[in-house]
Amino acid sequence: DGGITQSPKYLFRKEGQNVTLSCEQNLNHDAMYWYRQDPGQGLRLIYYSQIVNDFQKGDIAEGYSVSREKKESFPLTVTSAQKNPTAFYLCASRPGLAGDPYNEQFFGPGTRLTVL
Amino acid sequence: GQNIDQPTEMTATEGAIVQINCTYQTSGFNGLFWYQQHAGEAPTFLSYNVLDGLEEKGRFSSFLSRSKGYSYLLLKELQMKDSASYLCAVMDSNYQLIWGAGTKLIIKP
Repeated sequence: DGGITQSPKYLFRKEGQNVTLSCEQNLNHDAMYWYRQDPGQGLRLIYYSQIVNDFQKGDIAEGYSVSREKKESFPLTVTSAQKNPTAFYLCASRPGLAGDPYNEQFFGPGTRLTVL
Repeated sequence: GQNIDQPTEMTATEGAIVQINCTYQTSGFNGLFWYQQHAGEAPTFLSYNVLDGLEEKGRFSSFLSRSKGYSYLLLKELQMKDSASYLCAVMDSNYQLIWGAGTKLIIKP
């Protein structure tokens, strides 16, 4: 079955540690996205990638880093520079490049990160 | 700035009809999406509107007025499983999605 997987579903880390969240898709989608969701707020875009080996900062990229070495994979690293990393992180993908608005984004199940 | 407004929370009765409104101000417009999100889960796609008018899909319908910067999601014959948050998102001129904070819908028996 095609889809997007994120692991783990729950992640606990000590303050000051870097942590990497995985996102894998087998939908053959070109574009991939990372969002952060906090209670009572909309999804906020962290990074996005429209093609392999290329990615762009979103609205809240500070303290995060990504890579896109393969079409299927778009891991997100939450660094110690991120001031308030505890949140629900969602990965999404969509077919085609950015200039095709008719395709919706498909979401992975999310990773809930708690920094202690 | 870009802004999407939705009510924070709504309550409705099982079997009834509810309308969730969304108003937006964005730099450009390439369509409006509605997603459903159950607590602790990923959003799932419900509808997409790019032209004015009503799109019907089973019990769910979505309406768009571009001149008014307004959309609504209409849910009919409400079921308990419809209890969820409903997210409105607009695709701007850069083809990025701008998200509203979501409307939490509570269904009572």
